Order: sequence, then C-alpha cells, then structure tokens
Amino acid sequence: QKEVEQNSGPLSVPEGAIASLNCTYSDRGSQSFFWYRQYSGKSPELIMSIYSNGDKEDGRFTAQLNKASQYVSLLIRDSQPSDSATYLCAVNSAGSARQLTFGSGTQLTVLP
Amino acid sequence: GAVVSQHPSWVICKSGTSVKIECRSLDFQATTMFWYRQFPKQSLMLMATSNEGSKATYEQGVEKDKFLINHASLTLSTLTVTSAHPEDSSFYICSAKDTGQGAVYNEQFFGPGTRLTVL
Repeated sequence: QKEVEQNSGPLSVPEGAIASLNCTYSDRGSQSFFWYRQYSGKSPELIMSIYSNGDKEDGRFTAQLNKASQYVSLLIRDSQPSDSATYLCAVNSAGSARQLTFGSGTQLTVLP
Repeated sequence: GAVVSQHPSWVICKSGTSVKIECRSLDFQATTMFWYRQFPKQSLMLMATSNEGSKATYEQGVEKDKFLINHASLTLSTLTVTSAHPEDSSFYICSAKDTGQGAVYNEQFFGPGTRLTVL
C-alpha cells in the first residue's frame, strides 16, 4: 500500500465549478499536510498547508483534514483555466522529522 | 513564502562528463535540503537529504558515488552528477525547509528545477 494515495485523474471541471481533490495517507502519526501545484515543466509550488482537523481557507482554496479517516482534501472554488495543473498531496510523517512523502498527483483540467 | 534558487536552469552535456547543480536558499537558512528527480509524466522521486555540515542521506537505489551532494553552508547545497549518461537525463529539483524563527512548521519550498539532458 502506498503511503500517500491520490487519484491520478485526469479530473476535468468546467470553468467556475468547484474542483475537489482527495488524498489518503497510511501513517496515522502524520502531523503536517501540504498541497502543491505543479504546472507542466515547472517545479512544485506550495499552495496550502494544514496541521489540525477541520477546514482551512485561503482565497479560492480550502484544505480539509480528517485525521480519524486519514484523509485530506483540497477544494478549488470558482475554478479557472489557469488552475489546470497537477496537484500533489504531501505528508510529513512521524519519525521522518523533515522529509515529505508525496502522492503521485492528480491532474486537473479546467475547461473554459 | 521563502525563495529557493537553482543554477543552472538547464544543461546539455556529453556522456561521461560531470554536471554540478547548485541550490540556494535566498532569504532563509536551511540546515536541510532535499534533492528530487522527476521523469516526464511521473511523480517526484526523493533522491537524498542534504544536511549542512554532514553527509547526505541517500534513498534506496540512489548511488551516492554517482550523485555527490555537498551542503557546505546554511544556504547552499550542490548536487554533482558524475560521469553522466543519457539515462540520467531528467528534471532535478531541490527543496529546502525554513528552520529559522518565525518559519511555518515543516513547510518545504522548491527551487525552479534544473533540466539535464545528456547526449
């Protein structure tokens, strides 16, 4: 079983819709959770971090964490074509103080 | 967020030569930096963890004698691909964590990456 799992997609949503990206992780002791956006040919860019259960909102982005279910999600409201990218979920697990474990990423396409 | 730079952004070299890639944290100190490799349409693969003032920790399957890492200061780590071959052609990306006061816990920032092509 992979440590961090994401649906690879591709996920397509129309412009203006809500895009929902999901991630599950296996290490129950994980403490920090991150969402990165990676455009084709570019390096990942940190867009959200979340550490406690519940929702965290930043502009059009909302991260949701449920540690009991070992689940973290990213919602993108009012999706724009410029949001089309691969979204990587990353988890900092207990016992690996500095290292992140990445999911394989979900490719999102926002259709104009 | 914190800024990480990489140099060069791209390099083309002949098979058998060595290539050095620099990773710098521009506005923060990073005791730990990470080196990743990414092949087309694949996810990031962690190659090694670079620790300032000590030896790097390599992931399983990564040859430490081929991928030399030096982290001589709190703002600079280098990756040298020795005797490069075409199969080493990839996108190499470094990242760093801001471990200074006021840094957000565990956030990791990526450099822009270096695209290596070995002919």
